[in-house]
Amino acid sequence: EVQLVQSGAEMKKAGESLKISCKGSGYSFTTYWIGWVRQMPGKGLEWMAIIRPGYSDTRYSPSFQGHITISADESITTAYLQLSSLKASDTAMYYCATLVGAIYFWGQGTLITVSS
Amino acid sequence: EIVMTQSPATLSLSPGERATLSCRASQSVNRHLAWYQQEPGQAPRLLIYGISTRATGVPARFTGSGSETEFTLTISSLQSEDFAIYYCQQHNNWPWTFGQGTKVEIK
Repeated sequence: EVQLVQSGAEMKKAGESLKISCKGSGYSFTTYWIGWVRQMPGKGLEWMAIIRPGYSDTRYSPSFQGHITISADESITTAYLQLSSLKASDTAMYYCATLVGAIYFWGQGTLITVSS
Repeated sequence: EIVMTQSPATLSLSPGERATLSCRASQSVNRHLAWYQQEPGQAPRLLIYGISTRATGVPARFTGSGSETEFTLTISSLQSEDFAIYYCQQHNNWPWTFGQGTKVEIK
């Protein structure tokens, strides 16, 4: 069974940095794309970045490039999202998701709250 | 970037009625089209992938159809648990993109 388990909610101050995690299991972690989706309060879904761990292939959405870093540690089948210089507008739910073949599997979400 | 446009923004229907949700892509996405359902406070739930294949456990009342740039999600007879927000998403080109969502609400 494919599972993605994300790290817990975080509260941060503006200007700080943050790294959240997403541990995958039940599938070949290195083969498939895994990435991050942002959902701001009351808004829709936005893909931020994806990585294919076994190929060191990363892609960033132009809307997020320069503000985030995606990475993965194959040895512990975990993907990460780092956000730098946090702003109040980074307050959102962040989901990880993987595309296995044509099927998406999602994590439970990590709520990030940034106070100014 | 491929822009996904969903219509209508809100659909007000009664239980038992048929719901028809539309999604248009600004260019062809081939078969790389998925539909999700999202309830308040929950992660999106995959309903349909590859335009028309139901994900595991998805009831048969959900049907996906379409091709190239025009897609439809049909719910044949709305149940109480179907009142939620629905998103389409393409993964043909990066960045993968979602529509803005259609809210199906109780009339």
